[in-house]
Amino acid sequence: QVHLVESGGGVVQPGTSLRLSCAASGFTFRNYFMHWVRQAPGKGLEWLAIITNDGNTEHYAESVKGRFTISRDNPKNTLYLQMDSLGPEDTAVYHCAREAGGFDIWGQGAMVTVSS
Amino acid sequence: QAGLTQPPSVSKDLRQTATLTCTGNSNNVGNQGAAWLQQHQGLPPKLLSYTNNNRPSGISERFSASRSGNTVSLTITGLQPEDEADYYCSAWDSSLGAWVFGGGTKLTVL
Repeated sequence: QVHLVESGGGVVQPGTSLRLSCAASGFTFRNYFMHWVRQAPGKGLEWLAIITNDGNTEHYAESVKGRFTISRDNPKNTLYLQMDSLGPEDTAVYHCAREAGGFDIWGQGAMVTVSS
Repeated sequence: QAGLTQPPSVSKDLRQTATLTCTGNSNNVGNQGAAWLQQHQGLPPKLLSYTNNNRPSGISERFSASRSGNTVSLTITGLQPEDEADYYCSAWDSSLGAWVFGGGTKLTVL
């Protein structure tokens, strides 16, 4: 079974940092580009970042560029999202997703709430 | 960051056909097409189709996608109650160097 499982979400104060993890299983992780996508409560999907299969290239949405960093550890089959300088606008469910033509496999998501 | 344009809502009767649209520009939809995702409340999105109307394994033939210029369409035939969901389009934008989503269309099956 192909699975992605996010972890590391929680409630944090504005200005702080958080790192999300996404554990992959059931497929050859190192062969796929991976993404982070978020969804604020009651809102649509927002793409955040992509990392190539070898981890050498990253792209970011303007809304998180300079604050968020995507990375991966292929031997550990794990994707990461380091989030710095968090603000209330970053409150959302964060999903990792595999790219195979489109976003074909999604995790259930990790809730991040930024509140004082 | 500019996204793709989708109508906020569409309503159709049971067993009828719904066509959802998604409009971008020559840097995204017009260049590489788009993918369609379905999302039921409280669940992660599910991929329905991707470039050139490819359907992932297990996706019903009732879902089909097409493209005309900078607009892609998702046609759902023989609407069922379980088709009631939010539908999103997504595409790689070569000018932005980023993926973009549409705002989503809420499909109601009457």
